[in-house]
Amino acid sequence: QGQLVESGGGVVQTGRSLRLACSASEFTFSSYAMHWVRQAPGKGLEWVAFIWYDGSKKNYVDSVKGRFTISRDNSKNTLYLQMNSLRAEDTAVYYCARETVGAIPYFDSWGQGTLVTVSS
Amino acid sequence: SYELTQPPSVSVSPGQTATITCSGETLGDKYTSWYQQTPGQSPVLVIYEDTKRPSGIPERFSGSNSGNTATLTISGTQPTDEADYYCQAWVSSTVVVFGGGTKLTVL
Repeated sequence: QGQLVESGGGVVQTGRSLRLACSASEFTFSSYAMHWVRQAPGKGLEWVAFIWYDGSKKNYVDSVKGRFTISRDNSKNTLYLQMNSLRAEDTAVYYCARETVGAIPYFDSWGQGTLVTVSS
Repeated sequence: SYELTQPPSVSVSPGQTATITCSGETLGDKYTSWYQQTPGQSPVLVIYEDTKRPSGIPERFSGSNSGNTATLTISGTQPTDEADYYCQAWVSSTVVVFGGGTKLTVL
């Protein structure tokens, strides 16, 4: 099934930057598209960004476009989320999730999440 | 923007059938997945491609999707099924959307 472990969360001031990482193991990371999904305290899941298996295609939810950048290093089996110009509304647990390979994808593996708190 | 609408809460007695809906414009033309999340835990896939169950998910979980509504049905609901449930669909080949979530209470 594979294992995903996020890191890099913490408390950061409004307007500052933070980089999250998601380390993958027990599967061929370079074969899978990957996503970031976040969950604000007491709220539902919100899709944030995705990246193709080779990094050639990316997309973001409108609220983070121009501020967040998703990337990956397949040689290190690691997914990243660079978050700039952070706002209070970015406070959330950030999960990385693996997208299945196939015509009708879904998320079959999730990390445990890393908490990002944006405070003034 | 495309939205998926779920009821905030559903209550069911143990052993009864729980039905959780997910509504969106022409949702039946898309494939829907469902995720279960218990407090403090990561989401777990319970239904994919509208009706399929991953290995390890009990048979009491089933799904359907038609028209504007996808439905997650839990037959013979167990106390361990108490959780938040989220539907998910692809708006396009590069955009994913989740429903707002439904808190299932088994009492």
